[in-house]
Amino acid sequence: SAVISQKPSRDICQRGTSLTIQCQVDSQVTMMFWYRQQPGQSLTLIATANQGSEATYESGFVIDKFPISRPNLTFSTLTVSNMSPEDSSIYLCSVELAGGYQETQYFGPGTRLLVL
Amino acid sequence: AQSVTQPDIHITVSEGASLELRCNYSYGATPYLFWYVQSPGQGLQLLLKYFSGDTLVQGIKGFEAEFKRSQSSFNLRKPSVHWSDAAEYFCAVGPGGGNKLTFGTGTQLKVEL
Repeated sequence: SAVISQKPSRDICQRGTSLTIQCQVDSQVTMMFWYRQQPGQSLTLIATANQGSEATYESGFVIDKFPISRPNLTFSTLTVSNMSPEDSSIYLCSVELAGGYQETQYFGPGTRLLVL
Repeated sequence: AQSVTQPDIHITVSEGASLELRCNYSYGATPYLFWYVQSPGQGLQLLLKYFSGDTLVQGIKGFEAEFKRSQSSFNLRKPSVHWSDAAEYFCAVGPGGGNKLTFGTGTQLKVEL
């Protein structure tokens, strides 16, 4: 598998502000994804972070609200913009490894966000 | 569209008892199936996965799961539960190859000592 870290691990933010979450992997990966887990809910895919091109967003998620960067094969950021209390969630990045570990996603520890 | 149903929201078992968590999926082709566990305050850890071949797959921490195509099920089992198994368990289905996973709503496991 891979070692995946996320920063920050948790944050409390005021409405109307933005937060950028970082995801770092200790090896090069083919695919990186961003998920949201709202309180008491399951995971929902926000977008696929594509290296060198714009992210691919799922229905209901837009780039203006959740801009994503992926400058290389080991790093990605997700920004939650103009936050409201409804954005309070756990945000998780996941990666799909290259080679023999394909087809399997491994998750980071998550970023716990509370918006007041 | 693919979907996953975990019919049990909460399950309580005594330590040492056997465990079975249910998962039913809907998918048009042969699915890739996964079980993940999320301990309180943690991310998701992969327990096991099924792609093809033997329908009984072994995972970490003594867990196993059986793929039954005729029932569209992928139930997770453990013969003897430990208190440290208390967590939330998610079943997921996906086509693989960089495509998204669809998760069930999760089953919260409580272990009584």
